[in-house]
Amino acid sequence: DTEVTQTPKHLVMGMTNKKSLKCEQHMGHRAMYWYKQKAKKPPELMFVYSYEKLSINESVPSRFSPECPNSSLLNLHLHALQPEDSALYLCASSQDGRFYGYTFGSGTRLTVV
Amino acid sequence: GESVGLHLPTLSVQEGDNSIINCAYSNSASDYFIWYKQESGKGPQFIIDIRSNMDKRQGQRVTVLLNKTVKHLSLQIAATQPGDSAVYFCAENGSGGANSKLTFGKGITLSVRP
Repeated sequence: DTEVTQTPKHLVMGMTNKKSLKCEQHMGHRAMYWYKQKAKKPPELMFVYSYEKLSINESVPSRFSPECPNSSLLNLHLHALQPEDSALYLCASSQDGRFYGYTFGSGTRLTVV
Repeated sequence: GESVGLHLPTLSVQEGDNSIINCAYSNSASDYFIWYKQESGKGPQFIIDIRSNMDKRQGQRVTVLLNKTVKHLSLQIAATQPGDSAVYFCAENGSGGANSKLTFGKGITLSVRP
C-alpha cells in the first residue's frame, strides 16, 4: 500500500458544527502532516507529528485540533470554523522527518457556511 | 526571510515539445528538493526528488537539475503530453533536522496545446 487515504473527500459544515477529518497510511511512515491549501496557492503547513508526537504547530488557531491516535492515523478536529477556513486540507506522510518518501493524500475539500 | 519561488506563473507548450519549469530557492542549508504535480481537485503527486550531493537526476520523461551555486532548480519534461497539464510545485526541506519543514514554491501552471 503506497497511499495516503483521506476521508471525507468533501465536507460542508456550519460555523457552529464540530467535525473531523481523517487520514490513514499503511506505509510504515513515522511522520505525518496536515496542510491547508487555498485555490491557486501552494500548500501551507499546519501541523507535524513525528513518531506520534506533535513536533510542529505553525501557530494554527485552536479551532483546529490535531490528533494522532497511532502511527497509521491522523485526525484533524474542527470546531467553530470561519468561512475563510474553507480550503483543501491535505494530509501527508514521510518515512521520517527528513521527508523521504513524502506522499500526499487527495485531500478533503472543506466548505464552511 | 527564506523563500522558494518560481520565475513564471504559467507556461504554455505545444504537445510533443520539451518543457522546462524553473525554481529559485534562497535557503542555502536545504539539502533535499522535490517536484510535485497537482491536477485539479487532487493532492500533490510526487514527480522526482534530488539531494544536494547531486546535480542531475533522471526519471521517466523527467529530469531535475540542481545548481547550488545560484540556488536554482529546474524540471525538464520530455515530449510533453496533454496529461502533463497541471500545476507544478518545487519544494525544499529548509534547514534540515528532525523538525525541518517542507517549503513550497508558488507553483506554475503548465498548459499543453494539442
